[in-house]
Amino acid sequence: RKEVEQDPGPFNVPEGATVAFNCTYSNSASQSFFWYRQDCRKEPKLLMSVYSSGNEDGRFTAQLNRASQYISLLIRDSKLSDSATYLCVAHSNDYKLSFGAGTTVTVRA
Amino acid sequence: DTGVSQNPRHKITKRGQNVTFRCDPISEHNRLYWYRQTLGQGPEFLTYFQNEAQLEKSRLLSDRFSAERPKGSFSTLEIQRTEQGDSAMYLCASSLDPRRGYGYTFGSGTRLTVV
Repeated sequence: RKEVEQDPGPFNVPEGATVAFNCTYSNSASQSFFWYRQDCRKEPKLLMSVYSSGNEDGRFTAQLNRASQYISLLIRDSKLSDSATYLCVAHSNDYKLSFGAGTTVTVRA
Repeated sequence: DTGVSQNPRHKITKRGQNVTFRCDPISEHNRLYWYRQTLGQGPEFLTYFQNEAQLEKSRLLSDRFSAERPKGSFSTLEIQRTEQGDSAMYLCASSLDPRRGYGYTFGSGTRLTVV
């Protein structure tokens, strides 16, 4: 079983819509969590850290549920430029980040 | 310092040849990581350096793979006797202490194709 599991999607949404998706992690000792964005054939780029109390960064909201071991990302007012693969990441020990396989989001005009 | 730099960006090699990739991390980052990513998958951990010490190697890293970070700055990843299954994007990342909430900064990657 992979440490981080994500629904691969794709999530196809119209511009301006809200889209939300989750991931689950298996290691209850995981301490830090992140969402990365990856465009086609590019490197992953840090989108935001995920804090226990939930946090927002503009149109993006991340939530962490430690009891159920899942993390969510919500994108409001979707833009065409939000089309990408979103990687869920758990930090489980001193050094290693474990990545999910990614959720693909396509925003259409 | 504009980020993590990787060279080359692309490498095509014949099966059985050796290849070497280079990574220059962000200068103030003491932690350096190599990951591998294949199509449709997330990055998979290969190895980790803290300063010049290689502290962990994944079981994905067979004995054909070797990584070094001789002076705690740049790192090299060598693959000997390449196989077609080695074809992937090889990503280098650097960071400060992730336990304090710092994420990784990735380089643009080296895309390896073994023919």
